[in-house]
Amino acid sequence: EVQLVESGGGLVQPGRSLRLSCAASGFSIGDSAMHWVRQAPGKGLEWVSRISWNSATIVYADSVKGRFTISRDNARNSLFLQMDGLRVEDTALYYCARRAGEGPFDIWGQGTMVTVSS
Amino acid sequence: EIVLTQSPGTLSLSPGERATLSCRASQSVDNRYLAWYQQKPGQPPRLLMYGASIRATGIPDRFSGSGSGTDFTLTISRLEPEDFAVYSCQQYGTSPRTFGQGTKLEIK
Repeated sequence: EVQLVESGGGLVQPGRSLRLSCAASGFSIGDSAMHWVRQAPGKGLEWVSRISWNSATIVYADSVKGRFTISRDNARNSLFLQMDGLRVEDTALYYCARRAGEGPFDIWGQGTMVTVSS
Repeated sequence: EIVLTQSPGTLSLSPGERATLSCRASQSVDNRYLAWYQQKPGQPPRLLMYGASIRATGIPDRFSGSGSGTDFTLTISRLEPEDFAVYSCQQYGTSPRTFGQGTKLEIK
């Protein structure tokens, strides 16, 4: 079965860090760009970051630039998001998603919840 | 950044009716890079349409997409009970890959 499974979310105080992981199974992420997308409770989807297949190109949304770091390990078929300096407004369900070639985001995980609160 | 504005925010219709959802971009979007997603409560987004008018695998033909430039439309010809959900458009040709805020399609 083709799937992405996120993990690493939780409750954290403002200013602290979390590291999210996204494990792929049933396919290889090695030739695809991968993305993180988040959704605050009751809100719409917000694109967070992307990384090219070979990690050569990395882009962040302005809202997380300088605080979040995306990375990947193709040998482990995994994607990561290091989140430092967390803010209350980072509270959201974080999804990883695959973009195959020039296409849309065709595979999504179920998401991992990050709650930033004192 | 390309801002996508969806309308209406909420659409109340009955099964069997036709639904028309709009996605307007703040600047021109290449048709090849406009997608629609469906999201039900507690589930991740599901790809419906890409390239503005191409149905994703397994999507029934009552769903259709159209538009160009800054105006795009998702049409559901005859609503089925399982179609009531939130629909979001996305442009994935320009960084950042932005989403619309979503249209909630609810049962009237």
